[in-house]
Amino acid sequence: AQSVAQPEDQVNVAEGNPLTVKCTYSVSGNPYLFWYVQYPNRGLQFLLKYITGDNLVKGSYGFEAEFNKSQTSFHLKKPSALVSDSALYFCAVRNSGGYQKVTFGTGTKLQVIP
Amino acid sequence: NAGVTQTPKFQVLKTGQSMTLQCAQDMNHEYMSWYRQDPGMGLRLIHYSVGAGITDQGEVPNGYNVSRSTTEDFPLRLLSAAPSQTSVYFCASSYGRRETQHFGDGTRLSIL
Repeated sequence: AQSVAQPEDQVNVAEGNPLTVKCTYSVSGNPYLFWYVQYPNRGLQFLLKYITGDNLVKGSYGFEAEFNKSQTSFHLKKPSALVSDSALYFCAVRNSGGYQKVTFGTGTKLQVIP
Repeated sequence: NAGVTQTPKFQVLKTGQSMTLQCAQDMNHEYMSWYRQDPGMGLRLIHYSVGAGITDQGEVPNGYNVSRSTTEDFPLRLLSAAPSQTSVYFCASSYGRRETQHFGDGTRLSIL
């Protein structure tokens, strides 16, 4: 069975500092990996995805993520955090073969402190 | 485009009542899914559909039914509401397996 782990329930970072939100996954075969963000009382919004190709993926709002196959990780990063980045972040994985369900992590709350 | 539209936004039910959560998308997406979001548990898949007339169970299907008679609509039915079904429900759609999912804004459901 596929799974996603987001080991930190909450990450606090000062405005202007770099941020990292961690994600590791387990899946048979090649993974499709996604990051979504959720603001209060809203649905999830897509940030970026890794399907194939370059291990460094750039997405919306200045976010990027690095796919590391040997460590089965897909950490979300941003060079300089903004207060408006404060939200709930979800990592998700899907197997690339056949129709496989998407599995989400439990989410990490990012708090950017002014 | 409206994207994914969920109705109602809020609902309070009594134990044993039934209801249907509506989900509609106007993007001609083949794939649609229902999730529930509970604190500390992330999103868990209830049911999904890969096209009109085709549905399958997710992780937590018990107590819920779905059907997909058109590409646009994917309603979720609670057969006999239980307090354990108090949650926020999200509908999502995507064009294909590799594509990102588009989410509605959710239905906040309380079962008393």
